[in-house]
Amino acid sequence: SAVISQKPSRDICQRGTSLTIQCQVDSQVTMMFWYRQQPGQSLTLIATANQGSEATYESGFVIDKFPISRPNLTFSTLTVSNMSPEDSSIYLCSVVQGGGYTFGSGTRLTVV
Amino acid sequence: AQKVTQAQTEISVVEKEDVTLDCVYETRDTTYYLFWYKQPPSGELVFLIRRNSFDEQNEISGRYSWNFQKSTSSFNFTITASQVVDSAVYFCALSEYQAGTALIFGKGTTLSVSS
Repeated sequence: SAVISQKPSRDICQRGTSLTIQCQVDSQVTMMFWYRQQPGQSLTLIATANQGSEATYESGFVIDKFPISRPNLTFSTLTVSNMSPEDSSIYLCSVVQGGGYTFGSGTRLTVV
Repeated sequence: AQKVTQAQTEISVVEKEDVTLDCVYETRDTTYYLFWYKQPPSGELVFLIRRNSFDEQNEISGRYSWNFQKSTSSFNFTITASQVVDSAVYFCALSEYQAGTALIFGKGTTLSVSS
């Protein structure tokens, strides 16, 4: 199964600033997924990123707030823009390969 | 629409007790996959099992076992002789058969095992 390197693992950010999270996969994958996990909650899908096209966002998530880059088949970034304390969450990327899903180790974001 | 329900928010047991975590799903697809993941306090997601909709055979892996029943749309997870290291949040998840679809997660069940 694919191996994902996700960076940073954690960060503390000032409100109003932006943070870009990176995910590097050790093999080529068509789809990458970005999830948010708010404190004590389950994983909620933010968007699906396909290489060469714009990401598809789930209801409640917009591109201006969570712009996603997918420049090639092994890499993607998620930016959390104009952050507020409500954005404090764990953000995870995920890929699917052969029916199995692999997750990055997560980025624990705290906005102060 | 797809949906995964984990009605048990929190379960507390004492070591060596058996515990069953419930998962009920909804989907219109005839072909789909079901998953269980463990999330320990460290936060990473640990894959436990994947089951496709055509395989209703129960699975056992060490102290873990899974009971898949399409008739009741359930995919329950049992830990036998629980241990403190089993303390974690457990998520049941569902995906459609089509390639490229994301996992849909239940709300999770927090299991606390005390010594």
